[in-house]
Amino acid sequence: ELNLLESGGGLVQPGGSLRLSCAASGFTFNIYYMSWVRLAPGKGLEWVAHISQDGSEKNYYVDSVKGRFTISRDNAENSLFLQLNSLRAEDSAVYYCVRDRRVGIWNGLDVWGRGTTVTVSS
Amino acid sequence: DIVVTQSPLSLSVTPGEPAAISCRSSQSLLYGNGYNYVDWYLQKPGQSPHLLIYLGSTRASGVPDRFSGSGSGTDFTLKISRVEAEDIGVYYCMQHLQPPRSFGQGTRLEIK
Repeated sequence: ELNLLESGGGLVQPGGSLRLSCAASGFTFNIYYMSWVRLAPGKGLEWVAHISQDGSEKNYYVDSVKGRFTISRDNAENSLFLQLNSLRAEDSAVYYCVRDRRVGIWNGLDVWGRGTTVTVSS
Repeated sequence: DIVVTQSPLSLSVTPGEPAAISCRSSQSLLYGNGYNYVDWYLQKPGQSPHLLIYLGSTRASGVPDRFSGSGSGTDFTLKISRVEAEDIGVYYCMQHLQPPRSFGQGTRLEIK
């Protein structure tokens, strides 16, 4: 069964840091790009970042998190990460780990985790 | 960056009736391979989002055939031929032609 399981969310003060993790199972992790997408309270979905299947290509980020968030992966552990630094109140959201495309093949963002909640508040 | 705009932002539909959601892009999403780089997603209450339509018109696995996607270039439409109670939630289009990927604002579908 295809599965993505996020962890690492929590309550953090403005300016603080968190590291989100995503454990993948049920598919060949190292042939897929991976993404993070977030849903802030009262807002719509926002794509945050993506990383290539082996991390060798340029990572992409939404402008609002550039320089503060870093996406990475460990294919040996079938894991995806998102390091969140200099957190702001507007970063409060549910963060979803999402399976992205394969090289040359787009089948949509077709597998989503259940999400992990980040709350930035003093 | 590409801006994606959905309309309407909310929709109230009687079961059995059709529904349509529009998605417009600030740039053409038609790639040189003939595919439109736009997808449709649905987030039902209390659930994670899931994929409905990819590359403009291809239904994802398990998606009922009452859902269809159409359009090309900058104008796209998601149609539900006969709305059912289980279709409630927020629908999003998303462009993936170029990073950063961007979602529309979302369209909330409720049942009358």
